[in-house]
Amino acid sequence: DQQVKQNSPSLSVQEGRISILNCDYTNSMFDYFLWYKKYPAEGPTFLISISSIKDKNEDGRFTVFLNKSAKHLSLHIVPSQPGDSAVYFCAANTGTASKLTFGTGTRLQVTL
Amino acid sequence: ETGVTQTPRHLVMGMTNKKSLKCEQHLGHNAMYWYKQSAKKPLELMFVYNFKEQTENNSVPSRFSPECPNSSHLFLHLHTLQPEDSALYLCASSQASTARYEQYFGPGTRLTVT
Repeated sequence: DQQVKQNSPSLSVQEGRISILNCDYTNSMFDYFLWYKKYPAEGPTFLISISSIKDKNEDGRFTVFLNKSAKHLSLHIVPSQPGDSAVYFCAANTGTASKLTFGTGTRLQVTL
Repeated sequence: ETGVTQTPRHLVMGMTNKKSLKCEQHLGHNAMYWYKQSAKKPLELMFVYNFKEQTENNSVPSRFSPECPNSSHLFLHLHTLQPEDSALYLCASSQASTARYEQYFGPGTRLTVT
């Protein structure tokens, strides 16, 4: 049973527009959430995170929103750039340890 | 070299072979991890080492045998694998495993079991 779900395997967005990637989770013990980005032939790289005490965290063009009551988080990228084309993984964590539970990923393609 | 490196990048092995995957981190970290990513499945944590001691074994079959001789190196010894073990194997490291430190991933080893 997947505790972290990314129901959209792929997303295509035009350059300059907003990309919204979604993630749902089932484990109410998760209190820290992360987004990783992965290019082909490379390992995932950390992008942005959010603690459950917040509902929004922003870093440049990237913003993560957390809706605890809905057990839902989203990553907004605005404006989207061709270099953002990659697979984005949502991950969650409980307590203080660094054991991460990942989603299956969403492949984002930003078109010209 | 910098970051986390993994060798080989690609490996094809028969079910009766014995092979090893190698991971090396150049970040001064004390925790290292093995993950498995099968097609259309999420990354699954396999093993965690903290200061060379194994702290997590996520019910991994014994045909996968990890080894962590020091904080910079991590191996995954493979023997009598099954075709369903074909996957991308990712290594990661972090400052320690006892707190929420960012994990840095290597590029992975694409394993095919024939």
